Amino acid sequence: GAVVSQHPSWVICKSGTSVKIECRSLDFQATTMFWYRQFPKQSLMLMATSNEGSKATYEQGVEKDKFLINHASLTLSTLTVTSAHPEDSSFYICSARWGDRVSDGYTFGSGTRLTVV
Amino acid sequence: AQRVTQPEKLLSVFKGAPVELKCNYSYSGSPELFWYVQYSRQRLQLLLRHISRESIKGFTADLNKGETSFHLKKPFAQEEDSAMYYCVPYNTDKLIFGTGTRLQVFP
Repeated sequence: GAVVSQHPSWVICKSGTSVKIECRSLDFQATTMFWYRQFPKQSLMLMATSNEGSKATYEQGVEKDKFLINHASLTLSTLTVTSAHPEDSSFYICSARWGDRVSDGYTFGSGTRLTVV
Repeated sequence: AQRVTQPEKLLSVFKGAPVELKCNYSYSGSPELFWYVQYSRQRLQLLLRHISRESIKGFTADLNKGETSFHLKKPFAQEEDSAMYYCVPYNTDKLIFGTGTRLQVFP
């Protein structure tokens, strides 16, 4: 149980185009999902908190117009990288808390490797 | 806010040796901590949570309030334990990851 499915697993796009990444909770409802970015051999950096039915909360330094987050249902959050540039190339990971309590833990998607050429 | 420090970026041991991945926290209050693990080409997964006092895959972690530590230990390391390990505090409903420790277990 408590599986988060993330698609696509990898994507290559041209500079200037937009890319959408989906994150679905398969067997539970997630009012809150989280989006992270991970550079090679580095830790995860929290980008934003996605809230179902309301605006996302972005971490300091993250451009909200660049990284559009939509959380339209209790099982789906999307991250759209708009007007992508090579520096946006990275590994993007979503996460959701599967229980009601913070101590229940968080489950993570398998990640999306974005390459902008 | 809770803060943790993992002083070792890389820890290398031989198979069968004991392993201890250090995690120190600074927090004025009751700490709430997880250990997460990321194996090569796999998604992050929860390994331990401090409130459970459980043993997963032979790993244990005890909260030591006197030393403000939550070190992850295993008496006999296995090659399959090679991975990135993150000690993560949870508060304000989100997880903030530090630099983590890469564990390499050699045969």
